[in-house]
Amino acid sequence: EPEVTQTPSHQVTQMGQEVILRCVPISNHLYFYWYRQILGQKVEFLVSFYNNEISEKSEIFDDQFSVERPDGSNFTLKIRSTKLEDSAMYFCASSGDRGNTQYFGPGTRLTVL
Amino acid sequence: GESVGLHLPTLSVQEGDNSIINCAYSNSASDYFIWYKQESGKGPQFIIDIRSNMDKRQGQRVTVLLNKTVKHLSLQIAATQPGDSAVYFCAENEGGSNYKLTFGKGTLLTVNP
Repeated sequence: EPEVTQTPSHQVTQMGQEVILRCVPISNHLYFYWYRQILGQKVEFLVSFYNNEISEKSEIFDDQFSVERPDGSNFTLKIRSTKLEDSAMYFCASSGDRGNTQYFGPGTRLTVL
Repeated sequence: GESVGLHLPTLSVQEGDNSIINCAYSNSASDYFIWYKQESGKGPQFIIDIRSNMDKRQGQRVTVLLNKTVKHLSLQIAATQPGDSAVYFCAENEGGSNYKLTFGKGTLLTVNP
């Protein structure tokens, strides 16, 4: 069964450093998403991406964040200068269509020290 | 803003009993709803979905009920098993040009053998 994969599973970084979180969406999907979940809290939407551009983003997704689909299979989230409050689980998701089910990856746990 | 350390509603059932998990949503424009299961340290796993033109949908051992009048969604799990123990989230999508899923705060289901 096809699934979304994410690497690394855990990333530890120093405050102010740049991090790149990587995702491989399900191969025939066209819509890609990043969400985050701070420990013990709800899953929160960050950004959606379709046709090589951002289609929607939340207030959390400020200019420190960027997304890219560098090739036909990877989808990345970059945080330029990490802050302590960026510590969270980051989930990538993909869907075949906008109104269809979003399938989530296992997540990357980001720890900012 | 949200408080740190969200306290989840909890439901504790005996193995073999039926479970009902409830969710209230706030956006009357939402037209697509999904239930996700999240086990500790993992990503949200799709269980079942329903569109706003339906009020009931059944899957394997699970049933979702939608009451648009009172903006209420429920997930029924038949013959609950220990492997069903997890946090269950409802999520909604507004449709139209809206891509994001908005997640509820989750319910912790514990199944006692």
